[in-house]
Amino acid sequence: QVQVVQSGAEVKKPGASVKVSCKASGYTFSSYYMHWVRQAPGQGLEWMGVINPSGSSTRYAQKFQGRVIMTRDTPTSTVYMDLTSLRSEDTAVYYCVREGGGLAGGKNMDVWGKGTTVTVSS
Amino acid sequence: QSALTQPASVSGSPGQSITISCTGTSSAIGTYNYVSWYQQYPGQAPKLMIYDVSKRPSGVSSRFSGSKSGSTASLTISGLQAEDEADYYCSSHTTSSTYVFGGGTKLTVL
Repeated sequence: QVQVVQSGAEVKKPGASVKVSCKASGYTFSSYYMHWVRQAPGQGLEWMGVINPSGSSTRYAQKFQGRVIMTRDTPTSTVYMDLTSLRSEDTAVYYCVREGGGLAGGKNMDVWGKGTTVTVSS
Repeated sequence: QSALTQPASVSGSPGQSITISCTGTSSAIGTYNYVSWYQQYPGQAPKLMIYDVSKRPSGVSSRFSGSKSGSTASLTISGLQAEDEADYYCSSHTTSSTYVFGGGTKLTVL
């Protein structure tokens, strides 16, 4: 079945970086855009950015510009999200999400991972 | 891009209908028909319920419907059931080729 499986929970110190991975299966990985969305404890959803099917282009939310890098590896059907200069406000669940619609991009998020908890604490 | 505006909470009794609004701007919701709605239970990942303003993915109950007027989108749930109690988020593609979510609405089934 179509799914994305994320890496495990992380605990980081302020100022460090974290790299979360997400392995897709059950569909043609190279035909879909992939997003990252985060949710701080007790808060709403926050869109972080998107990477195109080939990995040649990314678009990030202005809030994360300069601190986030999204990459993908087609042979392993894996997408990565690297967040640097971590601070306590980055403590959240990070979701890897497939965009529906294939290469054309459906502008919706149809397959969600279970989330990766990142805790930033000294 | 500012978050879309949703009511913090709505409630209804079983069998009733409720509507959750989502107010944006001309750059989000007002320009494109790329509004989506997501349902989230506590401790779980969100689930796509409505896309392209009013389309339902396969498997989503027909009790869920969406609409849009100007820069405001709406999600309506008819025949409310206990299992509908959850948080609901709207989202829109923007003219900057980014995405924005609403703050979320907690639905309580009385």
